[in-house]
Amino acid sequence: AQSVTQLGSHVSVSEGALVLLRCNYSSSVPPYLFWYVQYPNQGLQLLLKYTTGATLVKGINGFEAEFKKSETSFHLTKPSAHMSDAAEYFCAVGRVDTDKLIFGTGTRLQVFP
Amino acid sequence: EAQVTQNPRYLITVTGKKLTVTCSQNMNHEYMSWYRQDPGLGLRQIYYSMNVEVTDKGDVPEGYKVSRKEKRNFPLILESPSPNQTSLYFCASSVGTAVRSPLHFGNGTRLTVT
Repeated sequence: AQSVTQLGSHVSVSEGALVLLRCNYSSSVPPYLFWYVQYPNQGLQLLLKYTTGATLVKGINGFEAEFKKSETSFHLTKPSAHMSDAAEYFCAVGRVDTDKLIFGTGTRLQVFP
Repeated sequence: EAQVTQNPRYLITVTGKKLTVTCSQNMNHEYMSWYRQDPGLGLRQIYYSMNVEVTDKGDVPEGYKVSRKEKRNFPLILESPSPNQTSLYFCASSVGTAVRSPLHFGNGTRLTVT
């Protein structure tokens, strides 16, 4: 079985501050891990993904995430928030053997000037 | 422009009145899927299709039907909508499966069933 937990349904930061969105997963096999972003009134789009290899993954718009197997985490970070980062972010875990992708419940990021 | 197109964007209907939400992609993708998004529950998969004439149930298929007669189209059908199907619906497609390839999403259909 697999599952994903996003800690904090809402996160607020000031423009220029560090963004940290938390994601923990559970999977009985090595997981593929994803972050998707949903801007207002739009569908989701892939921000970054981890499959195998390097545990620090860089994505679009300055975001990155680190796969930590010992902590079963895949937290999303960005050093300096921009107003345009305001969106909802979804973590997802996938299993290659079943091709099953499970989304988390989402974290809404607000950025204040 | 590569895209997934859903119609309509907004739909208000009454209980029991059959409706169809259309989805079309122009990227020649094999895989297509429908999700519903509800507050506090994230995205849950309704149905998916690996190829033409091949469809499978996702996690919440009850009350929904789909068909895949052509590669580009994957309509979602609610034969007898009920208020608990009020939700935001997304169609998505990808080259491979949702795990192996990035999903490309439509802009969503907000459905209200009264």
